[in-house]
Amino acid sequence: GAVVSQHPSRVICKSGTSVKIECRSLDFQATTMFWYRQFPKKSLMLMATSNEGSKATYEQGVEKDKFLINHASLTLSTLTVTSAHPEDSSFYICSARDGGRLAGGSDTQYFGPGTRLTVL
Amino acid sequence: AQKITQTQPGMFVQEKEAVTLDCTYDTSDPSYGLFWYKQPSSGEMIFLIYQGSYDQQNATEGRYSLNFQKARKSANLVISASQLGDSAMYFCAMREAPGASKIIFGSGTRLSIRP
Repeated sequence: GAVVSQHPSRVICKSGTSVKIECRSLDFQATTMFWYRQFPKKSLMLMATSNEGSKATYEQGVEKDKFLINHASLTLSTLTVTSAHPEDSSFYICSARDGGRLAGGSDTQYFGPGTRLTVL
Repeated sequence: AQKITQTQPGMFVQEKEAVTLDCTYDTSDPSYGLFWYKQPSSGEMIFLIYQGSYDQQNATEGRYSLNFQKARKSANLVISASQLGDSAMYFCAMREAPGASKIIFGSGTRLSIRP
């Protein structure tokens, strides 16, 4: 149990284009999903918290118009990087919160495999 | 403000030896949760173990155990009988208060297992 998928795993795009990344919880319902960004050899930086049916909560310094988040259902959240530029190149990872129903009630976040975005 | 500190940027360990990865935390909330995740070179974040602040016993999951010392605010991960496949980045993480969504991560420790 507790499988989170992410698609695509790797994307290369031209500067100025928009890229959509999907995050799905495959075997549990996730009322809350999270989007992280990770630079090489660095820790994960939380970008935003996505709640099903409501607007995402963005961390300080993250442009909400740049990184559009939609949590359409209990198993799907999407991150759209709009008008991507080379500085947006990074590893983007989503996670889904189990709400305490898995892992003995730890309310653990389970992570997707990540998406490596390269903007040329 | 809550904070997670991992002071070991990198560690080398001989295969089959036990290894301890250090993690200290700081929080003013009496209720919190501590996590360890493993990130191999493929990039995926793998959940290893969880410790709640009110748990009476140290958490264990197979070869992983968490040495939880509440008074010292430390939550070290112990891997017994290390294997080559244990080579990866390891992140300690903390969530404050039950039901709080956000968790914060430490800077990570890169563990390399020597054959």
